Amino acid sequence: NAGVMQNPRHLVRRRGQEARLRCSPMKGHSHVYWYRQLPEEGLKFMVYLQKENIIDESGMPKERFSAEFPKEGPSILRIQQVVRGDSAAYFCASSPGRDGTEAFFGQGTRLTVV
Amino acid sequence: GNSVTQMEGPVTLSEEAFLTINCTYTATGYPSLFWYVQYPGEGLQLLLKATKADDKGSNKGFEATYRKETTSFHLEKGSVQVSDSAVYFCAPPPSGGSYIPTFGRGTSLIVHP
Repeated sequence: NAGVMQNPRHLVRRRGQEARLRCSPMKGHSHVYWYRQLPEEGLKFMVYLQKENIIDESGMPKERFSAEFPKEGPSILRIQQVVRGDSAAYFCASSPGRDGTEAFFGQGTRLTVV
Repeated sequence: GNSVTQMEGPVTLSEEAFLTINCTYTATGYPSLFWYVQYPGEGLQLLLKATKADDKGSNKGFEATYRKETTSFHLEKGSVQVSDSAVYFCAPPPSGGSYIPTFGRGTSLIVHP
């Protein structure tokens, strides 16, 4: 049973370009979460999705950021017109969504904006 | 909502020293509690969990007991190794209708040879 798969592991973008981060949850998991982590900081929740639905996006900036989890295929976190401040590690996690079950994390995508 | 208070780091120890990282929680009822670990350059992974009060979770020599009297879930290890150097997160129980795992800054552990 493959774990949570994120790609790419490393992504370099110039200011103003778009970044697309992909996350395939564990088999059987319908709940996906995205987090951002800056150096020396904890994980900050961004968005919570279920298949074809955004459940909670309270942690995601209102502009330039969007997320989706289509019926088929991976979840995508999209950052338009990236700026240097978007440089961070972005982690995806999945879970079955039931109380008492843990979240499973991917290895993360490290975005560098130059 | 549910929350945790976790001791701040970094915690610096010599190899074979005893480790305690404190975590206290507030929660409605007795939900499951978790400790996660993040090794350098990796994502978080579950270290151990306890699913009910008085349960003890254990893994890789680490232990944590779910104590309802003191609302604590402290992480302990009798003899740390250099390879235990990582950031440890006590995850608050999910609250409300949505199950969203949330994490604070964690506690950085540095173990010297």
